Amino acid sequence: GAVVSQHPSWVICKSGTSVKIECRSLDFQATTMFWYRQFPKQSLMLMATSNEGSKATYEQGVEKDKFLINHASLTLSTLTVTSAHPEDSSFYICSAIRDSSYNEQFFGPGTRLTVL
Amino acid sequence: GDSVTQMEGPVTLSEEAFLTINCTYTATGYPSLFWYVQYPGEGLQLLLKATKADDKGSNKGFEATYRKETTSFHLEKGSVQVSDSAVYFCALSGQTSGSRLTFGEGTQLTVNP
Repeated sequence: GAVVSQHPSWVICKSGTSVKIECRSLDFQATTMFWYRQFPKQSLMLMATSNEGSKATYEQGVEKDKFLINHASLTLSTLTVTSAHPEDSSFYICSAIRDSSYNEQFFGPGTRLTVL
Repeated sequence: GDSVTQMEGPVTLSEEAFLTINCTYTATGYPSLFWYVQYPGEGLQLLLKATKADDKGSNKGFEATYRKETTSFHLEKGSVQVSDSAVYFCALSGQTSGSRLTFGEGTQLTVNP
């Protein structure tokens, strides 16, 4: 149990286009999901906390209008990178909290975004 | 604020060697401590955790003990395998941060046959 999936696993897009990344909890309900960004050979940087049915909470320095987060159901959160630019190229990872396992995050496999 | 410091990598070992990856933390109160492993091109997997002082987390031959007095949570394994090659992240979840995780820098481990 406690499986989190992400789709797509990788995506290549042109500069100026928008890209949507999905994060799903497959076998549990997740009221809270997190979105991270990871640059090559670096640690994970928390971008935002996504709560089902409410607005996401963004970390300092993360542009909420550029990284749109929607947590429309207890099993799905989406991250949309709007008007993507090459500097947005990164590995995006989501995680989810299973209500019965408070304080433990289950991570998705990540999405590699490359903006040309 | 909360912070986690890991020993700098990369670490290269021969198969069956002893592994230690140091991790120290700064946090108020009594955080929960975690070790995550990331294999190439994949997301993070929880390796082990400890939620209170003197707890020992263990999994797949890896161990780490929550040392409040030294604010440390060092990862150890007695005999590493090639399949252990990955990046290891130490992390904490503070008492006041809810379930938000603070990660260390990560340590790349390469095990050679």
